[in-house]
Amino acid sequence: KQEVTQIPAALSVPEGENLVLNCSFTDSAIYNLQWFRQDPGKGLTSLLLIQSSQREQTSGRLNASLDKSSGRSTLYIAASQPGDSATYLCAVTDYGQNFVFGPGTRLSVLP
Amino acid sequence: NAGVTQTPKFQVLKTGQSMTLQCAQDMNHNSMYWYRQDPGMGLRLIYYSASEGTTDKGEVPNGYNVSRLNKREFSLRLESAAPSQTSVYFCASQYDIYGYTFGSGTRLTVV
Repeated sequence: KQEVTQIPAALSVPEGENLVLNCSFTDSAIYNLQWFRQDPGKGLTSLLLIQSSQREQTSGRLNASLDKSSGRSTLYIAASQPGDSATYLCAVTDYGQNFVFGPGTRLSVLP
Repeated sequence: NAGVTQTPKFQVLKTGQSMTLQCAQDMNHNSMYWYRQDPGMGLRLIYYSASEGTTDKGEVPNGYNVSRLNKREFSLRLESAAPSQTSVYFCASQYDIYGYTFGSGTRLTVV
């Protein structure tokens, strides 16, 4: 059974810092991996999708990498801003198209 | 606006009452999903529908039923609500490799 973990569970950084969020999964037979952002009381917003054949994806200040063989993905946020404060979730899709979510990392960026 | 629409946004039920959560998407996606999100447990899959007319159980289906009324709509029904079903419910849709699009959620409290 696929299991997804995220470290750290919570992170607090001063504005302007670069930071890395980590996601690990136990079964490397994935179809894709997706990073989401969730604001308090809101739904999930897709940030980046990485196909299993890809190594990374970039969108603005965000860069996500994928290492299938080691079962890891990282989300790099450059020059963090208070508006980046949210919970970040990663999810992997297996070939049955079922998504398994991690528990999330709660990020606070302090002004 | 294109996307996934969930209704209602909030609901309070008494134990034993029934209700249906509605979900509709206008992106012509084939697959639709219902998740519940509980503190510290991430999102867990309740039911999914790979195409119109088909539904399958996810990780936590007990106490729920679903209907894929047509390609656009996928409803979740609680026949006899229990306090353990207090949660935030999310509907999502998926088109092949393009990942998930989530609705904004229904916050359900069962007293």
